Parts: sequence; structure tokens; C-alpha cells
Amino acid sequence: EAGVVQSPRYKIIEKKQPVAFWCNPISGHNTLYWYLQNLGQGPELLIRYENEEAVDDSQLPKDRFSAERLKGVDSTLKIQPAELGDSAVYLCASSHYTGELFFGEGSRLTVL
Amino acid sequence: GEDVEQSLFLSVREGDSSVINCTYTDSSSTYLYWYKQEPGAGLQLLTYIFSNMDMKQDQRLTVLLNKKDKHLSLRIADTQTGDSAIYFCAVNNAGNMLTFGGGTRLMVKP
Repeated sequence: EAGVVQSPRYKIIEKKQPVAFWCNPISGHNTLYWYLQNLGQGPELLIRYENEEAVDDSQLPKDRFSAERLKGVDSTLKIQPAELGDSAVYLCASSHYTGELFFGEGSRLTVL
Repeated sequence: GEDVEQSLFLSVREGDSSVINCTYTDSSSTYLYWYKQEPGAGLQLLTYIFSNMDMKQDQRLTVLLNKKDKHLSLRIADTQTGDSAIYFCAVNNAGNMLTFGGGTRLMVKP
């Protein structure tokens, strides 16, 4: 069974540029999560989807971050414009309802 | 909100036991997890424990939970060099929302 797939694995951009990350969850998992992991820290939840509905986005900086999960499967996370402090790893995870979370390998963003 | 704390670093010799500790604040947490993260990789679930349990053993891994002190530990027996990684404690609250600790970097010396 394929795991959670994220792309790109690495992205380097200049500040003020836009960037987008894509996540394909495990087949059949209705719940999808985007986490932010800063260097040397644990992951912090940005947004959680149940099917196509964002049920918790309280930690998502809505002035520059946006996310969508059309059709309740794949999801994209966008930052526009990116700032230096956005350099981090963006992790996607999925679960079957409230079961075990399976994580992707993450997308590492470097903003110059 | 929930606060989860871990020590930053642990160094052990190969073959010794490793004990990684975690404290949390939300006594209503029902599931408590240990994740492993190797360099450049995502998080891998190692084990978890229900809040109504004191101990769970899974091969070389032993999880101890002290609910009164809100203290969780992970013991790795016969630690190997392949166990070198960052270990994260995570606790859930309502709606399967996980709060992670900052991670403990385990270094295993040959």
C-alpha cells in the first residue's frame, strides 16, 4: 500500500515569491492534516480536513497561507507571498477518521 | 492549550537501554504516542498507549505512563545504532488533535 506522498521534497525560493505543496493521502483516509515543523521542534498543526471540509484551521496564518482539498482526496497548501520565517518542513498526514496518523516525508522549504 | 515537554538530547552506548521522558499538561488525553523521525524523513509511529494503561511492551520498546504525574517514558532495550533518530512524544485531545513535544535526539555510540 502506498503511503502519504508529498511533493516537492525540496523547494528553494526567494522571499515574496509564491510556493505550493501537494499531498496525496493514503487511499481511503478521510482525514488529512498539514503540519509545520520548524528546525529542532516538533510538528505543529496548521489545518485538518475531514473529507473536503476544513474542520480546524485556527493555526493557519490566513493572511498568506491557504489550503484546499477539492474532492476530499489530494490537498494543496499554498504560501503567498513567502517570508524568510516560513523556512521549515511542511508535513502532510492522513488517517482513517480518528485512527493512526501516517505521515509523508515532508516538503522542505527554504526562503532566501 | 496542551503543553508537551521533552529533554533535547540523549546519548547511550550500543547495547545499553535508552529511556526518553516526556511530560504533558492535559490530563484528559486519551492516547499518548511515540514517533520516530530519521533524518530527512517523516514521522513513523512506534507505539502508543491508552490513558487507562500503566505500561505497554512491544518487543524492545516499553512505554510507561504515570497519569498522576502526567509523565510518559519510552524505554528502548538493547539500543542499536539504527535507533539513532529524533523521538517525539505526542498526546491527543478532543477530535484526535495531536500535540507534539519538541523531540529528543537519541545518539547511539558504537
